[in-house]
Amino acid sequence: EPEVTQTPSHQVTQMGQEVILRCVPISNHLYFYWYRQILGQKVEFLVSFYNNEISEKSEIFDDQFSVERPDGSNFTLKIRSTKLEDSAMYFCASSEAAGTGALYFGPGTRLTVT
Amino acid sequence: GESVGLHLPTLSVQEGDNSIINCAYSNSASDYFIWYKQESGKGPQFIIDIRSNMDKRQGQRVTVLLNKTVKHLSLQIAATQPGDSAVYFCAENMGDKIIFGKGTRLHILP
Repeated sequence: EPEVTQTPSHQVTQMGQEVILRCVPISNHLYFYWYRQILGQKVEFLVSFYNNEISEKSEIFDDQFSVERPDGSNFTLKIRSTKLEDSAMYFCASSEAAGTGALYFGPGTRLTVT
Repeated sequence: GESVGLHLPTLSVQEGDNSIINCAYSNSASDYFIWYKQESGKGPQFIIDIRSNMDKRQGQRVTVLLNKTVKHLSLQIAATQPGDSAVYFCAENMGDKIIFGKGTRLHILP
């Protein structure tokens, strides 16, 4: 069964450094998402992406965040200058169609900012 | 503010019994809800969804009920198994995003 993959599984970085989290969505999916989950809390929407453009973003997704689909398979989330409060699990997801509730999530990248 | 939310942070159920996880929503215009399961160390996994033109939908061992009058939905798991141990989230589809509520952790008692 096809699945979303994410690398790395764990990233440790110092405050102020840039990080890039990588995702490979399911190959025939056209809609891509990033979510984050601070330990033990709910899953928070960051951004949705379709046709090489951001469809929607949350208040969390400020100027420090950006997304890119650099080629036909990868989908990346960049945090330019990490803060301590950026420490969380970051989940990539993809879906086949617009407006569907069935998102396919990857296993996540644990980001630790020290 | 939060559009969907769960009633209880934890629920303990005897193995073999049925589990019922509840969720409330605030916006009467909301029309599409989803349940996700998150096992420890994994990403959320889609279980079942329901649109507002239905009040019940069944899957394999799961049933979602939607009561639009009181803005409440529930997930029923039949014959709960150890593999059902996870955090369950209700979520709302809002076009280009899905918004998750707080989860309920389901504990399975032997």
